[in-house]
Amino acid sequence: KAGVTQTPRYLIKTRGQQVTLSCSPISGHRSVSWYQQTPGQGLQFLFEYFSETQRNKGNFPGRFSGRQFSNSRSEMNVSTLELGDSALYLCASSLGSLLNEQFFGPGTRLTVL
Amino acid sequence: GQQLNQSPQSMFIQEGEDVSMNCTSSSIFNTWLWYKQDPGEGPVLLIALYKAGELTSNGRLTAQFGITRKDSFLNISASIPSDVGIYFCAGRGSQGNLIFGKGTKLSVKP
Repeated sequence: KAGVTQTPRYLIKTRGQQVTLSCSPISGHRSVSWYQQTPGQGLQFLFEYFSETQRNKGNFPGRFSGRQFSNSRSEMNVSTLELGDSALYLCASSLGSLLNEQFFGPGTRLTVL
Repeated sequence: GQQLNQSPQSMFIQEGEDVSMNCTSSSIFNTWLWYKQDPGEGPVLLIALYKAGELTSNGRLTAQFGITRKDSFLNISASIPSDVGIYFCAGRGSQGNLIFGKGTKLSVKP
């Protein structure tokens, strides 16, 4: 069974631009969660999508948004990029129950210049 | 909000040594998880704990869910070079999202 895939793996943007990251969950998984990982703040929860609906949201500004498609693939978008948005963005998929384990993808390394 | 305090921040190991790390919180969690992250990769689940007092092993790894539900520890016995990496504890929040500790970086003693 293929794991969680994320594209692109690396991305360089400049301040003010916007970016879209993609995540394909494990086949059969209906929940996708997004996390931001930085050296200073560690791993922080962004949001979770289940059956095309945002089910849970962390404490990030509205510049961070996401969506989920009918095939469970998910995208997250960051608008008006700031230098502090440079991070590893990880997505994790699970079957869907809040008790199911989350399996992480390799992440997208975003650098904002 | 809910926070996890993970210690130590870093440690050096020699092959064959036992390793111990722990996580504490001021909040109660109903699930504790331990992950390992290698460079350039996402975290990989090592052990999941679901009941207070539960002690679970996965090969040379042993983890316990504290009886107060506010702490957990992870032990690695007879460490080997491939154990190096960053270990994270995580508690599952009331809405299902994971709250992570800051990680324990395991390195090999020079």
